[in-house]
Amino acid sequence: EAEVAQSPRYKITEKSQAVAFWCDPISGHATLYWYRQILGQGPELLVQFQDESVVDDSQLPKDRFSAERLKGVDSTLKIQPAELGDSAMYLCASRDRRDSTGELFFGEGSRLTVL
Amino acid sequence: AQSVSQHNHHVILSEAASLELGCNYSYGGTVNLFWYVQYPGQHLQLLLKYFSGDPLVKGIKGFEAEFIKSKFSFNLRKPSVQWSDTAEYFCAVRLMDSSYKLIFGSGTRLLVRP
Repeated sequence: EAEVAQSPRYKITEKSQAVAFWCDPISGHATLYWYRQILGQGPELLVQFQDESVVDDSQLPKDRFSAERLKGVDSTLKIQPAELGDSAMYLCASRDRRDSTGELFFGEGSRLTVL
Repeated sequence: AQSVSQHNHHVILSEAASLELGCNYSYGGTVNLFWYVQYPGQHLQLLLKYFSGDPLVKGIKGFEAEFIKSKFSFNLRKPSVQWSDTAEYFCAVRLMDSSYKLIFGSGTRLLVRP
């Protein structure tokens, strides 16, 4: 069964350092999402891509976060500099825009700890 | 602002007990509704969804949910839980406006005791 791949699974960094997360969606899925899940809360959308274009980044803290999907396939989410409050699980999800059910398929996430 | 509320943050049940998890949303327009589950150490996966039609929808593993439009609710139920249902459950609402945004609730952590 096709899956959304994310790496790294775990990342520990010190504040003010740069971190990057990678996501490879299910093949053929044009829509890609990055969510952040803080402990005890539900996932919060950071950015949504349709192919290589950003559709929604209204909740992305653009002073320190950036996301790209240059060729419309895999995507990278970067944080620079990391802050203590960035400690969370970063989830990537993808969706086939032709699928009327609208189901999102999630990766296993990248857990970030900022010291 | 649109929001999704799950009032039960932690639920503990014994095997064979019945389960009902509440989910309410605040949005006056058309929505699609989802329940996702996250088993320990695994990724989020879809349990069931409602788009239109019969407000009682059935999902995987014996779960069902009922959409009550007048109450803006989409509660999840299971008549008899198993130890393997121990997981975190998330209600999610997709706004059927130009944003097509999917908004999650804060989740309910279910522990089923054998």
